[in-house]
Amino acid sequence: RKEVEQDPGPFNVPEGATVAFNCTYSNSASQSFFWYRQDCRKEPKLLMSVYSSGNEDGRFTAQLNRASQYISLLIRDSKLSDSATYLCVVNIAYQKVTFGTGTKLQVIP
Amino acid sequence: DAEITQSPRHKITETGRQVTLACHQTWNHNNMFWYRQDLGHGLRLIHYSYGVHDTNKGEVSDGYSVSRSNTEDLPLTLESAASSQTSVYFCASSEYGDAKNIQYFGAGTRLSVL
Repeated sequence: RKEVEQDPGPFNVPEGATVAFNCTYSNSASQSFFWYRQDCRKEPKLLMSVYSSGNEDGRFTAQLNRASQYISLLIRDSKLSDSATYLCVVNIAYQKVTFGTGTKLQVIP
Repeated sequence: DAEITQSPRHKITETGRQVTLACHQTWNHNNMFWYRQDLGHGLRLIHYSYGVHDTNKGEVSDGYSVSRSNTEDLPLTLESAASSQTSVYFCASSEYGDAKNIQYFGAGTRLSVL
């Protein structure tokens, strides 16, 4: 089983739609969690950290479910500019992170 | 503004040649990382360093080496380039002691080995 697993997609959604991605992780001792965004042929950039209590940043909401070992990302009111690949990142041990392979989102006009 | 830069951005080389990819960061981060990204594999860790003169192997280190002589730079060397090393290479850095280990990436180097 992979340490971090994501549905590769693509998720094709119309503008204004709400879309959610899940990511599962295998190591119950994982310490911290993030979502990164990667645009085509560019470097990954931190989108948001994921906290146990859940957190929100504008149209983006991240949730952590430790019992079921998954994190989620919800995007409301999708914009064309949200089209990208979203990487789930898990900090499994001190200074060691593992990246998921990413979920591709395409927002359609 | 602090940044992390990679050079060259694109490189074409021949099988068997030695290639060095540069990574320079002005964040003053102690931690630096090299990844490669291929379709279907996501980002895979090649080598990493927690400080000057410290280097460690990642999950796909065969055929690669790094050295860390100062805080700012972590060059990645392909000793004898192989076609299997055609990939996009990303360098990243993070702050030592940052429990979250948030990593900041360079723009990447696209390497083709012919």
